[in-house]
Amino acid sequence: DGGITQSPKYLFRKEGQNVTLSCEQNLNHDAMYWYRQDPGQGLRLIYYSQIVNDFQKGDIAEGYSVSREKKESFPLTVTSAQKNPTAFYLCASSVFRDRGLANTGELFFGEGSRLTVL
Amino acid sequence: RKEVEQDPGPFNVPEGATVAFNCTYSNSASQSFFWYRQDCRKEPKLLMSVYSSGNEDGRFTAQLNRASQYISLLIRDSKLSDSATYLCVVMAWAGKSTFGDGTTLTVKP
Repeated sequence: DGGITQSPKYLFRKEGQNVTLSCEQNLNHDAMYWYRQDPGQGLRLIYYSQIVNDFQKGDIAEGYSVSREKKESFPLTVTSAQKNPTAFYLCASSVFRDRGLANTGELFFGEGSRLTVL
Repeated sequence: RKEVEQDPGPFNVPEGATVAFNCTYSNSASQSFFWYRQDCRKEPKLLMSVYSSGNEDGRFTAQLNRASQYISLLIRDSKLSDSATYLCVVMAWAGKSTFGDGTTLTVKP
């Protein structure tokens, strides 16, 4: 079955450490996204990538980094510069170019990664 | 002012009730509109897209008013399983989606 896989599901980190969250998709989607969700709030965009080897900052990119070396993979690194990293991180993908699909723009999400900084 | 605003609720309704959620957006260039459902501590999932002509999927009806920059979701005959947070999502361009903070619905027996 096609889908998006995020790992790890739960992660604990000490202050000052970098951590990398994995996101893999086999939907053949062009675009991939990383969102952050804090309790009682909606999703905020960290980074997005519309094509391999290219990515753009979202609304809250400070303290994060990404890479897009393969179409299927879009890992997110939470660096020690991120002041409040404890959150629920969601990776998503979508069809970027309209290929006649009725739901272009629909986001398909992974199950998320919960990061807690101790 | 947030780009996408929703009434946070919570909405507490009895089974069988009809409930409506509203959402406003500020970017008049927005192109696509969606309602997502998010269960507690889970990822959001698409509930329905929203079209200018309005669209219905079973007990759910979505409406879009571009002139007023307003989106709504109506749930008829509420079920216990409808309890969740409903997220309004507005896409301005090239897949860049902005989420509202969500409206929490609890349906009680």
